[in-house]
Amino acid sequence: DAGVTQSPTHLIKTRGQQVTLRCSPKSGHDTVSWYQQALGQGPQFIFQYYEEEERQRGNFPDRFSGHQFPNYSSELNVNALLLGDSALYLCASSLGGARDTQYFGPGTRLTVL
Amino acid sequence: DAKTTQPPSMDCAEGRAANLPCNHSTISGNEYVYWYRQIHSQGPQYIIHGLKNNETNEMASLIITEDRKSSTLILPHATLRDTAVYYCIVRPNKAAGNKLTFGGGTRVLVKP
Repeated sequence: DAGVTQSPTHLIKTRGQQVTLRCSPKSGHDTVSWYQQALGQGPQFIFQYYEEEERQRGNFPDRFSGHQFPNYSSELNVNALLLGDSALYLCASSLGGARDTQYFGPGTRLTVL
Repeated sequence: DAKTTQPPSMDCAEGRAANLPCNHSTISGNEYVYWYRQIHSQGPQYIIHGLKNNETNEMASLIITEDRKSSTLILPHATLRDTAVYYCIVRPNKAAGNKLTFGGGTRVLVKP
């Protein structure tokens, strides 16, 4: 039973660039949530996708956008990268709009230079 | 969402039980208590959750007070691999959109 997978593992970008991160949910899950974790802090909720729609959003600017595909996988896009966007980006999957327990992937480490 | 308060750090001896406290005095009747842990630079790992009753699984036990204002996560026999940051989270139980709000967590160091 495959768990949550994320790609790439690490990524280095420069300021102003755009980045796309990918997440495949745990088998049987249909909901994907994205979190950002800055160094030394707890994860912060970005948004959640269910039935290919953004269902809930945290306090993040419009530079952060996402998409969910019919196979439930998801992408997180960040435009106009800032140095402060450097963080570990975590994807969590669950069932039925996150009524159930969320399970996290290993994360993507983004470094913005 | 109800907030949680945890001690910032604690040490534990290998082989002994580790008792991690969490205060959630503003918890609502339909909110769950969830525990996750995060080993350095990895994704958070789900441990256990509960609503009212005490819960036990292969990883830990969760004791929730009768008034639900606090809880304790118990690792029965701590090992060096249990060294991690432990997060206590109060999660709403809505039909959808149940985001997790992480606090600072408790940094647990298991010593030989």
